[in-house]
Amino acid sequence: AQSVTQLDSQVPVFEEAPVELRCNYSSSVSVYLFWYVQYPNQGLQLLLKYLSGSTLVESINGFEAEFNKSQTSFHLRKPSVHISDTAEYFCAAVAEGGSEKLVFGKGTKLTVNP
Amino acid sequence: DTAVSQTPKYLVTQMGNDKSIKCEQNLGHDTMYWYKQDSKKFLKIMFSYNNKELIINETVPNRFSPKSPDKAHLNLHINSLELGDSAVYFCASRSWGELFFGEGSRLTVL
Repeated sequence: AQSVTQLDSQVPVFEEAPVELRCNYSSSVSVYLFWYVQYPNQGLQLLLKYLSGSTLVESINGFEAEFNKSQTSFHLRKPSVHISDTAEYFCAAVAEGGSEKLVFGKGTKLTVNP
Repeated sequence: DTAVSQTPKYLVTQMGNDKSIKCEQNLGHDTMYWYKQDSKKFLKIMFSYNNKELIINETVPNRFSPKSPDKAHLNLHINSLELGDSAVYFCASRSWGELFFGEGSRLTVL
């Protein structure tokens, strides 16, 4: 079984500052990793995913995450955040193959202040 | 076109009532889920269906009964509603580990 830990429940930052949202996972098998974003009063949307290949994955809105197998991490970063990035961010993992249950972290609330 | 749609979006009801939430996906996925998100934003899986068959039931009270008439639909019926059932319920469908979520149904039990 997998488990996902998001160490920070809340991350407040100022606009245009860099941000890192941390995610660590635990699994006895290889995993696929995901970051989902939930804007206020909306459902979750996929932000980016790691299935295989390059360990650095990017989203269309400037976020990136790096899969680090030795540290069992998949931290999410953005060099310069906008007010519109304010949202809840969820890290998730599933055993490779994708047929098992997707396990979510508890979420990190990113608040970008002017 | 909305990929995963849920109705109703908001539901306010009294304790003891019975209510249903409907979900439909037009993505052609075989697997669908119900998740419950509490006030702390924690996502908890409730049920999963694969091609109309129940494959995950995460120790949910039997007041909750999912039904999948076909692989594009997964409905959730809740009997004898309790205050603790107040939450946002998300439907999702799945492809290769990636989930596609509906916009949620906010249930408030008074």
